[in-house]
Amino acid sequence: QKEVEQNSGPLSVPEGAIASLNCTYSDRGSQSFFWYRQYSGKSPELIMFIYSNGDKEDGRFTAQLNKASQYVSLLIRDSQPSDSATYLCAVINGNQFYFGTGTSLTVIP
Amino acid sequence: DTAVSQTPKYLVTQMGNDKSIKCEQNLGHDTMYWYKQDSKKFLKIMFSYNNKELIINETVPNRFSPKSPDKAHLNLHINSLELGDSAVYFCASSPRTGQLGYTFGSGTRLTVV
Repeated sequence: QKEVEQNSGPLSVPEGAIASLNCTYSDRGSQSFFWYRQYSGKSPELIMFIYSNGDKEDGRFTAQLNKASQYVSLLIRDSQPSDSATYLCAVINGNQFYFGTGTSLTVIP
Repeated sequence: DTAVSQTPKYLVTQMGNDKSIKCEQNLGHDTMYWYKQDSKKFLKIMFSYNNKELIINETVPNRFSPKSPDKAHLNLHINSLELGDSAVYFCASSPRTGQLGYTFGSGTRLTVV
């Protein structure tokens, strides 16, 4: 079983809709959770991190963490074509940093 | 002023050659990493250095040897390159052991022919 699992997609949403990206992790001791955005041919860029159960909002982005269900999600409100990218979920456990394989998001104008 | 810079950006080389990739960060971070991203976009850690000391050394062929002359630099030397080494290699850094997330370099696309 992989440490971090994501649906690879592709996920397509119309412009202005809410995009919902999901991630599950296997190690209950995982402590910190991150979402990275990676445009094609570019490096991953940190967009959100969350440590505690519940929601964390930053602009159009909301990260949600449920440690009991070992589940972390990213909601993108008012999706824009510029949000089209691969979104990588990452989890820290101890000093190990594990990435998911990413979900490809396409926002259709 | 680039926070994490890697050189070269592209590297095309023949099988059997030896090559190096350099990485420098000007963020004052203590920890630096090398990741390999394959064609399916999976990012896998290869090495991690904290203040010049190796702390993570995943199962990587010993043809790959990292070197950290100081905490701002982490280089990757690859001997006897193989076709399967073709990938994008990312350098990254973090303030401590990743608790605040990583800053990635722009990547080095290595193609072995």
